[in-house]
Amino acid sequence: DIVMTQSPDSLAVSLGERATINCKSSQSVFYSSSNKSYLAWYQQKPGQSPKLLIYWASMRESGVPDRFSGSGSGTDFTLTVSSLQAEDVAVYYCHQYFNTPLTFGGGTKVEIK
Amino acid sequence: QVHLVESGGGVVQPGRSLRLSCAASGFSFSAYGMHWVRQAPGKGLEWVAVIWKDGDKEFYLDSVKGRFTISRDNSKNTVYLQMNSLRVEDTAVYYCAKSDSTGGSGSLIWGQGTLVIVSS
Repeated sequence: DIVMTQSPDSLAVSLGERATINCKSSQSVFYSSSNKSYLAWYQQKPGQSPKLLIYWASMRESGVPDRFSGSGSGTDFTLTVSSLQAEDVAVYYCHQYFNTPLTFGGGTKVEIK
Repeated sequence: QVHLVESGGGVVQPGRSLRLSCAASGFSFSAYGMHWVRQAPGKGLEWVAVIWKDGDKEFYLDSVKGRFTISRDNSKNTVYLQMNSLRVEDTAVYYCAKSDSTGGSGSLIWGQGTLVIVSS
């Protein structure tokens, strides 16, 4: 199974400042024939279901604000919120869909400092 | 717009069965794989099962193999999760999710979830 390790477990960022979340997979999730990394990021606010933010490691889902961006390839990935807003308080999860069992990172809780 | 509505959750005793349903709308249901993912109270996300668009392939989390069965009815735009021999550790919110592929290798769009509590 591919193990997804997120860091940090939590972080507190001032409004308007940058938040950076890291995700590392235990093996590459890059598929050479498609030239894509099978990695997504989700946002889960309290009491809500997860919402897709980023897919193929760096593609922003329709309707997601452009302050959210994803980067990385292979085994190391990053989700960046360029200017944190109050509504971004949530838990963020990375997810590999390279193979089954699909696996998720443990989550990163983002709060306002 | 993708819309997924789960139902069938509730409180059940250990060893008993429950069947969850997920009604889909807003997309061509028969063209996409469908998943079940669960989240225990206060915990992270755990994938449970996937079924391919035609229902010809299924994969399961090891801990539910032989106890849970995923199925789908493309004529009703519905995916199911039959859960037998339930254990206390199966307590969770169960989400159905649409794959962005015909099988399992796609990002997920989620329903609102249904809560299953396994307790004596």
